[in-house]
Amino acid sequence: DQQVKQNSPSLSVQEGRISILNCDYTNSMFDYFLWYKKYPAEGPTFLISISSIKDKNEDGRFTVFLNKSAKHLSLHIVPSQPGDSAVYFCAASAPLPHSGGGADGLTFGKGTHLIIQP
Amino acid sequence: DVKVTQSSRYLVKRTGEKVFLECVQDMDHENMFWYRQDPGLGLRLIYFSYDVKMKEKGDIPEGYSVSREKKERFSLILESASTNQTSMYLCASTKTGDGYTFGSGTRLTVV
Repeated sequence: DQQVKQNSPSLSVQEGRISILNCDYTNSMFDYFLWYKKYPAEGPTFLISISSIKDKNEDGRFTVFLNKSAKHLSLHIVPSQPGDSAVYFCAASAPLPHSGGGADGLTFGKGTHLIIQP
Repeated sequence: DVKVTQSSRYLVKRTGEKVFLECVQDMDHENMFWYRQDPGLGLRLIYFSYDVKMKEKGDIPEGYSVSREKKERFSLILESASTNQTSMYLCASTKTGDGYTFGSGTRLTVV
């Protein structure tokens, strides 16, 4: 059963407009959420995160919103640029089993391929 | 900056071969992870380790094993490679409480 869901496999947005990527989760134990960006043939790179005690976090053109009651988060990119074309993974963090609380594991969504059109 | 290095970017192996994927991190992180990424399936956790000689199964451990003899090195082993193990393999490390740092990935093709 998927605990982190990104229901849009792809999204096409015009350059300069806002890109909105959505993510839903089911596990109430998740306490930290992250977005990663991945280019082909490269590893994912961290983009932005949000703690469950907040509802918004901004970093330049990137803003993440968290709605805990709806178990929903979204990533806004504004304005969208050609270099933003990539696969974006939503991830949620919870303590890993058998680690005694010493390690957090990330559960990833399936990703959304964002295409910025010129 | 933390660096996570995966020894090979591309590998081609034959069915039945034993395959070793190596991952080294240089920031004394306790926790290391192996994921595989497949189109439409996202990143799936194979194994993780939160200390030297400690290992735990992730979501899809079947057909894989791991080794963590030293803190900086986490190896993924395919005992007998099969074509359904053709994938992009990603190693990550983290210090407890911090985000993950990923390696560049190893694209493995099993023929």
